[in-house]
Amino acid sequence: DAMVIQNPRYQVTQFGKPVTLSCSQTLNHNVMYWYQQKSSQAPKLLFHYYDKDFNNEADTPDNFQSRRPNTSFCFLDIRSPGLGDAAMYLCATRLTGVGEKLFFGSGTQLSVL
Amino acid sequence: DQQVKQNSPSLSVQEGRISILNCDYTNSMFDYFLWYKKYPAEGPTFLISISSIKDKNEDGRFTVFLNKSAKHLSLHIVPSQPGDSAVYFCAAIKNYGGSQGNLIFGKGTKLSVKP
Repeated sequence: DAMVIQNPRYQVTQFGKPVTLSCSQTLNHNVMYWYQQKSSQAPKLLFHYYDKDFNNEADTPDNFQSRRPNTSFCFLDIRSPGLGDAAMYLCATRLTGVGEKLFFGSGTQLSVL
Repeated sequence: DQQVKQNSPSLSVQEGRISILNCDYTNSMFDYFLWYKKYPAEGPTFLISISSIKDKNEDGRFTVFLNKSAKHLSLHIVPSQPGDSAVYFCAAIKNYGGSQGNLIFGKGTKLSVKP
């Protein structure tokens, strides 16, 4: 089945140790998003790719970077994770021109020790 | 500055009764609204949506109502089933169809449907 896949489901890293989260999609959607969700909070958009164009939200910390080497894959890099970066990270995709529905992966739960 | 607000963190309903989940928004530029459902350890899944040119959209047991003058929308689930127990997120978007159409989410309402 076509879907959005996030790996790993759970990631534990140490304070200050770089970590990369990955997302892949078989939907061939042109837009890919990264959201951060902390407990009992709304998912917060970090950035998105519209095709190859990178769009960073104004309040996304510099500590967070992203790469999209091709249509199918998108990565979230956290250069120096802090305790406050522990959260669920959600990847989502959308196909422009056919509605505003985002398709989400199952998320990666990041813990920072 | 929360543009999409779900003021009830939780809601408990008896099976077979109606569940009403509420959402308020502050940005009058929003032109499309969506509801997502989220089970534990899973990503949000799309449930139902409504354009700002409509005031009601129905899909099976789920109906979304939009009151633009009040900047308020609600999701009705009738009849409620135990499998509906999940967190429900309200989301809004501006620039519908455009390249910058990004979803803004509320904090969610946890619905518990008791047998």
